[in-house]
Amino acid sequence: DGGITQSPKYLFRKEGQNVTLSCEQNLNHDAMYWYRQDPGQGLRLIYYSQIVNDFQKGDIAEGYSVSREKKESFPLTVTSAQKNPTAFYLCASQDSLMNTEAFFGQGTRLTVV
Amino acid sequence: DAKTTQPPSMDCAEGRAANLPCNHSTISGNEYVYWYRQIHSQGPQYIIHGLKNNETNEMASLIITEDRKSSTLILPHATLRDTAVYYCIVRPQFGNEKLTFGTGTRLTIIP
Repeated sequence: DGGITQSPKYLFRKEGQNVTLSCEQNLNHDAMYWYRQDPGQGLRLIYYSQIVNDFQKGDIAEGYSVSREKKESFPLTVTSAQKNPTAFYLCASQDSLMNTEAFFGQGTRLTVV
Repeated sequence: DAKTTQPPSMDCAEGRAANLPCNHSTISGNEYVYWYRQIHSQGPQYIIHGLKNNETNEMASLIITEDRKSSTLILPHATLRDTAVYYCIVRPQFGNEKLTFGTGTRLTIIP
């Protein structure tokens, strides 16, 4: 089955540690996105990539980093510079030419203690 | 800058039609209206999209006004499983514009 997978579903880290969230898709989509969602809030764009080896900052990129070395993968690293990293993180992919439907993963809930 | 405006919350009785409005007064000629919904603690799910004609699929209907400055998503027979946050987005169908979401409408279906 084609789809987009985020792992793990729940993640706990100590304050000051970097942590990497995984996002993999087998839909052959060029575009991939990372969003952050806080309780009761909407989705805020962190980073996005329209093609392999290229990515752009979204609205809240500070304290995060990404890479896009393969079309299928778009990992997000939450660095120690992110002041409030505890949140729900969502990854999405989309055919960048035909913006018909974006597919989302099930999310990773990160808790930093 | 927000391209769409939605009411923060709405209630609808189970079995009735749920009509969710969206204002997009600055929509451009090449921009489509997309709707997604997010059930609690899950990733958003695509519902429907349209340009200027009304659209219908197995999930919902989309009614876009003639001037395209507003639209309404209709869930014809709402069930408890339709309780979710509904997002209205305007975006070109082709091209590389980033995908951004507003705050959406929290729809609660009342038994």
